[in-house]
Amino acid sequence: QVQLQESGPGLVKPSETLSLTCTVSGGSISSYYWSWIRQPAGKGLEWIGRIYTSGSTNYNPSLKSRVTMSVDTSKNQFSLKLSSVTAADTAVYYCARAHPQNDGNFDYWGQGTLVTVSS
Amino acid sequence: EIVLTQSPATLSLSPGERATLSCRASQSVSSYLAWYQQKPGQAPRLLIYDASNRATGIPARFSGSGSGTDFTLTISSLEPEDFAVYYCQQRSNWPSYTFGQGTKLEIK
Repeated sequence: QVQLQESGPGLVKPSETLSLTCTVSGGSISSYYWSWIRQPAGKGLEWIGRIYTSGSTNYNPSLKSRVTMSVDTSKNQFSLKLSSVTAADTAVYYCARAHPQNDGNFDYWGQGTLVTVSS
Repeated sequence: EIVLTQSPATLSLSPGERATLSCRASQSVSSYLAWYQQKPGQAPRLLIYDASNRATGIPARFSGSGSGTDFTLTISSLEPEDFAVYYCQQRSNWPSYTFGQGTKLEIK
């Protein structure tokens, strides 16, 4: 059974960089698309971007200037960096998987991690 | 960006009743629309993909229909565990996937 687990600081100061890692267990990270999706409290879902195991990335145009994703296949992990954060970036951050043949259909999700931006 | 509008915002029904949830896209997404269920404190769960295909392990009481701009998620007979928030999501408009704002299905 594939499992995803987000990890990283729960509190980030304004203007700093948010950094999260997603660890994949119970299956290989190879040959899938791996996405980050966030959800502010009481609100809807926003797709942040994705990375393929080759390292190829695609980002939401609204966040593209601040987002960097990377993958470490040896550790079965992928990561998110979001720079110059503000209070508007406070949200639960999820990592999720999509099969290339069903690109954009997220079949496995992490439990989510709350990141609060505050001084 | 394609905007997905879900209706109603809240749907109040009783167990055993039929639920019909709507999702309308601001432009055609062909059949590239998915539905997710989210319960409090949990991650979303994929229910339906490509408008009408049930994901693995999803009960047959969940069905999806539609194409182009108008889509429907139907739950034929509500079970107590079905009360949750439901989101539609499109994967047609690359490079950005977008979600609807959600429909809360609550117990009447």
